[in-house]
Amino acid sequence: DGGITQSPKYLFRKEGQNVTLSCEQNLNHDAMYWYRQDPGQGLRLIYYSQIVNDFQKGDIAEGYSVSREKKESFPLTVTSAQKNPTAFYLCASSRTTGTPRANTEAFFGQGTRLTVV
Amino acid sequence: QQQVKQSPQSLIVQKGGISIINCAYENTAFDYFPWYQQFPGKGPALLIAIRPDVSEKKEGRFTISFNKSAKQFSLHIMDSQPGDSATYFCAASVNTGFQKLVFGTGTRLLVSP
Repeated sequence: DGGITQSPKYLFRKEGQNVTLSCEQNLNHDAMYWYRQDPGQGLRLIYYSQIVNDFQKGDIAEGYSVSREKKESFPLTVTSAQKNPTAFYLCASSRTTGTPRANTEAFFGQGTRLTVV
Repeated sequence: QQQVKQSPQSLIVQKGGISIINCAYENTAFDYFPWYQQFPGKGPALLIAIRPDVSEKKEGRFTISFNKSAKQFSLHIMDSQPGDSATYFCAASVNTGFQKLVFGTGTRLLVSP
């Protein structure tokens, strides 16, 4: 089955630690995204990537880093610089046909819940 | 400019009733307006989407109404069922070929039996 796999489902981080969240997709999508979800705040964009070896900051990139070495993978590292990392993290992917108004629906993974302990 | 404002924050509807969720936006460059449904502990899933060249789109019990001049769009769920109980997010993007979505803050819908 095609889809997006995020792991782990639950992650606990100690103060001062970096942790990496995994996101893999087998939908052959060019674009991948990381969103953070907090209660009452909807989803906010952290980073996004349109092609391999290229990515851009979203609205709340501070304290996070990403890499895009393979089309299928877009891992997110939550660094110690992120002061309030406890949240639900969602990875998504979509096609990029380069044609406006094309069907570029974004598909989401099942999320990783990160808790600072 | 980039915000999408969503209301209400929560909604309780009796089974068989109509659920209505509203969203408003400022950025006139937005040209793709999806609604996502999210169950607890799961990722959002696309429910229905509309582009501004139509005023209404219906898929089964779900309808999007779009008012371009007012910069508002809404989701109507007809004959609401307990299985529709979930959080609903509106979103918007400038569809340049990929989905850099701006999300509303979500509406938690509870359909009582």
